[in-house]
Amino acid sequence: AQSVTQPDIHITVSEGASLELRCNYSYGATPYLFWYVQSPGQGLQLLLKYFSGDTLVQGIKGFEAEFKRSQSSFNLRKPSVHWSDAAEYFCAVGPRTYKYIFGTGTRLKVLA
Amino acid sequence: DAGVIQSPRHEVTEMGQEVTLRCKPISGHDYLFWYRQTMMRGLELLIYFNNNVPIDDSGMPEDRFSAKMPNASFSTLKIQPSEPRDSAVYFCASSPSEAATGWSGANVLTFGAGSRLTVL
Repeated sequence: AQSVTQPDIHITVSEGASLELRCNYSYGATPYLFWYVQSPGQGLQLLLKYFSGDTLVQGIKGFEAEFKRSQSSFNLRKPSVHWSDAAEYFCAVGPRTYKYIFGTGTRLKVLA
Repeated sequence: DAGVIQSPRHEVTEMGQEVTLRCKPISGHDYLFWYRQTMMRGLELLIYFNNNVPIDDSGMPEDRFSAKMPNASFSTLKIQPSEPRDSAVYFCASSPSEAATGWSGANVLTFGAGSRLTVL
């Protein structure tokens, strides 16, 4: 069965520290992979996506993610977190037909 | 572009009442999606349309839920009768087709701000 796992429900980091949010998936073929961010009271905004090609993808706001097929992972990283990055982050996986499965989200708290 | 517009932003109603949520997608986007977000179940795809035609409604929880897209710029999600377990945030999203943007631009969802529904 297709699934997405975000093992960390909450993560707290200090401002300026590095960040890695984990995402593991179960999928029968090479999937489309996404990271979205949701600020309180807002809809989801796309951070980055992977369709094919280079396994390290760059996104907005200084985020990047690496697709590792052997580990079925698509972890999100940022070298230096800003207070404005506090939000909930969702990993999503799916086929080319828009039926994406979203993970349960990781809520990021940033300490000043 | 103003993005995906949803209304109302907040709705409080009593059990048994009809609820209608509205969505205006981004102009030129061929796909429209309705999602529901709850603490227990996360973000679930309810239904999606392509060129105003429903493509997959397998996520619609039961017959109390219905969705329509009468034209390219408007969609509704209706719940009749509503129940307390329908309380959730309902998101509308839209996406361009590959024909319009190429494969790299398609398959990317732009979400509205959501409609928070509370059924008492």
